[in-house]
Amino acid sequence: AQKVTQAQTEISVVEKEDVTLDCVYETRDTTYYLFWYKQPPSGELVFLIRRNSFDEQNEISGRYSWNFQKSTSSFNFTITASQVVDSAVYFCALGEYSGGGADGLTFGKGTHLIIQP
Amino acid sequence: DTGVSQDPRHKITKRGQNVTFRCDPISEHNRLYWYRQTLGQGPEFLTYFQNEAQLEKSRLLSDRFSAERPKGSFSTLEIQRTEQGDSAMYLCASSFLGGNQPQHFGDGTRLSIL
Repeated sequence: AQKVTQAQTEISVVEKEDVTLDCVYETRDTTYYLFWYKQPPSGELVFLIRRNSFDEQNEISGRYSWNFQKSTSSFNFTITASQVVDSAVYFCALGEYSGGGADGLTFGKGTHLIIQP
Repeated sequence: DTGVSQDPRHKITKRGQNVTFRCDPISEHNRLYWYRQTLGQGPEFLTYFQNEAQLEKSRLLSDRFSAERPKGSFSTLEIQRTEQGDSAMYLCASSFLGGNQPQHFGDGTRLSIL
């Protein structure tokens, strides 16, 4: 069975600090996808990034970066120089491969990130 | 390019009543997904469609729940004989078929059972 663990329930930092959100996953599949989504107070889940199991290259997008390590089954998310607008709940999700892409995703419980001005 | 649209945004009903939600996916997307999210939890997968075919159902989808996507476009999720435990946010998502396409979510329908 698939499982995603986000051990940090809530993180509070002061604006401009760097912050890392942890994600550990479990799967028996050799091919799978990992995702991060942002859920601001308005409620809509916003897609941030997708990673394939066969691509361990880390990625940077502006202030966001992602560290994927198959050896530790982790897919961590770092925000550099955090801003108040980054305040949201962040979800890590796991999808298995079924020929046409990920099917139903398995989500973690989320990390509530609070950026204080 | 409009996003995923869900209707209604909020539904309040009495226990035992039937409710139906609608989801309009992004127009070119082949796949449509339903999830349920309760307070403080991540979304939980319920079911998904590839065009009009329902390909997978979670064990969370009891026999009181039924979903359809009759023409491969919009979808409906019906809950019969609602119970207190059905109170949640019901999320719809859609994606392209193939490759590594991400799922794009709607704003959800919040169901409150009195």
